[in-house]
Amino acid sequence: KNQVEQSPQSLIILEGKNCTLQCNYTVSPFSNLRWYKQDTGRGPVSLTIMTFSENTKSNGRYTATLDADTKQSSLHITASQLSDSASYICVVRATGKFQFGAGTQVVVTP
Amino acid sequence: DTAVSQTPKYLVTQMGNDKSIKCEQNLGHDTMYWYKQDSKKFLKIMFSYNNKELIINETVPNRFSPKSPDKAHLNLHINSLELGDSAVYFCASSQGTTGGYEQYFGPGTRLTVT
Repeated sequence: KNQVEQSPQSLIILEGKNCTLQCNYTVSPFSNLRWYKQDTGRGPVSLTIMTFSENTKSNGRYTATLDADTKQSSLHITASQLSDSASYICVVRATGKFQFGAGTQVVVTP
Repeated sequence: DTAVSQTPKYLVTQMGNDKSIKCEQNLGHDTMYWYKQDSKKFLKIMFSYNNKELIINETVPNRFSPKSPDKAHLNLHINSLELGDSAVYFCASSQGTTGGYEQYFGPGTRLTVT
């Protein structure tokens, strides 16, 4: 069983709407949690990095939250744009290792 | 200027061949990585080098051998290619190995083994 589970697997949203992606993890000992955006045919690009003591971090229209007690994170996309269509990957760093989620595929339609 | 570059971008080869993928970063980072992304888009780390020394070596067949001639380069050599090696391989770099250092990914090399 993967130690980083993301949901939903995919979602379709209308341009201008908001959406929230979920990431649950069991990786330990926890070091930090990252959200990446990966456009089709491109390498992942970092959106946010959060350590144990941080529970929210924003990058433009992207806001990530972290609850280290329940081992859950979310990525909220506000006022979605067509360019937000991509795969969003949650990555948890533990000592000496990275664990990747399978990603959530987001499609924004006009 | 491209921060992390990989060559080639596409590689099509037959089973049993030996091939190499090159990676270079011009960010002055100390740490470089190789990742494999399979057909289900699942990313998995393969290797990590810090100052030319291997620090992460996940369960990867011995046919895969990374080589770091200097801090700015991390090449991946694959012997006796198999069908299951078909994937997209990403190189990445970061300033350090601990804490919240950003990882910067290259554009990927799509390897197809026929």
